[in-house]
Amino acid sequence: GENVGLHLPTLSVQEGDNSIINCAYSNSASDYFIWYKQESGKGPQFIIDIRSNMDKRQGQRVTVLLNKTVKHLSLQIAATQPGDSAVYFCAENFGGSNYKLTFGKGTLLTVNP
Amino acid sequence: NAGVTQTPKFQVLKTGQSMTLQCAQDMNHNSMYWYRQDPGMGLRLIYYSASEGTTDKGEVPNGYNVSRLNKREFSLRLESAAPSQTSVYFCASTRDSPANTGELFFGEGSRLTVL
Repeated sequence: GENVGLHLPTLSVQEGDNSIINCAYSNSASDYFIWYKQESGKGPQFIIDIRSNMDKRQGQRVTVLLNKTVKHLSLQIAATQPGDSAVYFCAENFGGSNYKLTFGKGTLLTVNP
Repeated sequence: NAGVTQTPKFQVLKTGQSMTLQCAQDMNHNSMYWYRQDPGMGLRLIYYSASEGTTDKGEVPNGYNVSRLNKREFSLRLESAAPSQTSVYFCASTRDSPANTGELFFGEGSRLTVL
């Protein structure tokens, strides 16, 4: 099985609401965790990352939270917009310097106008 | 600045045929990767190359070969295509450590169908 998984395969929200996408991981030795966004027909695009020695990191309209006690990662998107509709993947790296990421299966976020 | 460029974008093969997926990056990255993406499976690493002249197996290398032609180019070859290799293939590259934050730069993907 995969080390990285998602609690919710699909998420539908109203425009302007906040979105929370969750991810569980099993490898406590992972160095850091990354969130990617993949729009239909395109390659994944980096959103934000967080190192294992951090609990929270904020970007533009996005916040990633890491709870190492329960091995849980979440991505919060503030004021969700139609352009946020995509599949979101979490990924973990425990491969040292070669950045061999292990990806989760993804969550489809749909933003309703 | 094109980033990561993959060719072809679409390809249909018959079982047993061979083909090569091409990938080139213009960001002067040392590390390059090939992933495959299947429905419900996320992305799985096939092969990667930490630097010019080196390649290593990833999670699902069987049925594939790779060549790191130079720093810019990393190709993926299917010698005898099988229906199980029907997938979307992504090439990616990363900056060198210590600047690397885990950000992979992906190409647009190559959709391969094996009949």
